Amino acid sequence: QSALTQPRSVSGSPGQSVAISCTGTSSIFGTYNYVSWYQQHPGKPPKVLIYDVTQRPSGVPDRFSGSKSGLTASLTISGLQAEDEADYYCCSYGGAYTDLMFGGGTRLTVL
Amino acid sequence: QVQLQGSGPGLVKPSETLSLTCSLSGGSFTNFFWSWVRQPPGKGLEWIGYIDSSGKTNYSPSLKSRLTISIDTSNNHFSLRLSSLTAADTAVYFCARMDFWKGFHSPWGLGTLVTVSS
Repeated sequence: QSALTQPRSVSGSPGQSVAISCTGTSSIFGTYNYVSWYQQHPGKPPKVLIYDVTQRPSGVPDRFSGSKSGLTASLTISGLQAEDEADYYCCSYGGAYTDLMFGGGTRLTVL
Repeated sequence: QVQLQGSGPGLVKPSETLSLTCSLSGGSFTNFFWSWVRQPPGKGLEWIGYIDSSGKTNYSPSLKSRLTISIDTSNNHFSLRLSSLTAADTAVYFCARMDFWKGFHSPWGLGTLVTVSS
């Protein structure tokens, strides 16, 4: 059981938007300020989509966006596409030489 | 571009020690952390620990007593040793480069499946 709570599954139709939440505690998000999000397709390593809560690495489509409010971080995927069907993980980190933790993961199904 | 290639045994016996190596090509160890993450079959990601280019480490509290991560910058690799293995350590083990300040992991190696079984 991860200290970062994600819904086990979400779904949406092509073209729609979905949001995946990642809820922590004040002791986690008060300390671990750097939130990143990863996409993982079956049999593949994870790929970073968002870092530092809202930043997108080059090459990641702007359909993917991140936000944080209070104890909940969110990943929003707009204009859903079939290839977005994957597992998504949030990750929280407090800075150099501190601990890091992953959320339990969310399975996105594109209907 | 930076590439990471993990290597190690696919099968290890209970109570034994797992040794994995991650080889770096196309980049330098400086100014990044070098991280290990594992994923049990059908389950989520678990952070194991990371090391910097000087050899300073930070380990997951749940694994700290059994874990050693080392780095050999001359030969472009870093390594993981996990002792006293049980079936619960069966997982795909990924190595990855980790941003020093923001903590995100990119790129990742392809992963090595390690099964703990007699």
